[in-house]
Amino acid sequence: DQQVKQNSPSLSVQEGRISILNCDYTNSMFDYFLWYKKYPAEGPTFLISISSIKDKNEDGRFTVFLNKSAKHLSLHIVPSQPGDSAVYFCAASGTSGTYKYIFGTGTRLKVLA
Amino acid sequence: NAGVTQTPKFQVLKTGQSMTLQCAQDMNHNSMYWYRQDPGMGLRLIYYSASEGTTDKGEVPNGYNVSRLNKREFSLRLESAAPSQTSVYFCASSETTWYQETQYFGPGTRLLVL
Repeated sequence: DQQVKQNSPSLSVQEGRISILNCDYTNSMFDYFLWYKKYPAEGPTFLISISSIKDKNEDGRFTVFLNKSAKHLSLHIVPSQPGDSAVYFCAASGTSGTYKYIFGTGTRLKVLA
Repeated sequence: NAGVTQTPKFQVLKTGQSMTLQCAQDMNHNSMYWYRQDPGMGLRLIYYSASEGTTDKGEVPNGYNVSRLNKREFSLRLESAAPSQTSVYFCASSETTWYQETQYFGPGTRLLVL
């Protein structure tokens, strides 16, 4: 049972436009969410996070939105650049104990020049 | 400052062979992790080590053993490799196991078991 779902395996966006990557979760105990970015042949790198006490967090071109009632979060990249082409994973964790991240399956973003 | 390093980068094994995947970090982190990534699935935690001298099972520990050799190094051993263990393995580290800690990942080891 996939507790964290990224239903779009891939997304193509024109350079300069907005990229919106979506993530849904089922466990209401999750209260901390992260996005990781992964280039081919490299490990994932941390991009941005959000705690459930917020509904938005911004870092430069990247904004994460959290809708707790819908159990949905999204990552917005504005403007999209060719260097943003990568696989994006969302991950969730909760305060049920010590660390335990659950990762989504990833969305491959391609930004077209 | 190399961050998290993993060796080897790529390995081919025959069913039943054993091997050890090595991981080291130079960030003085207390916690280290081993994940596997398979097509169509997210990263799944195999084992983790909250601190030197301790290890705990993650989501998919069967068929694996780990050793936290010291604060820097955390190895993953496959005693008798099976084709189902064909995957990309990532090591990660974080300062603690606090759930809001950012994890830093190595570049991965691609393992093919024939």
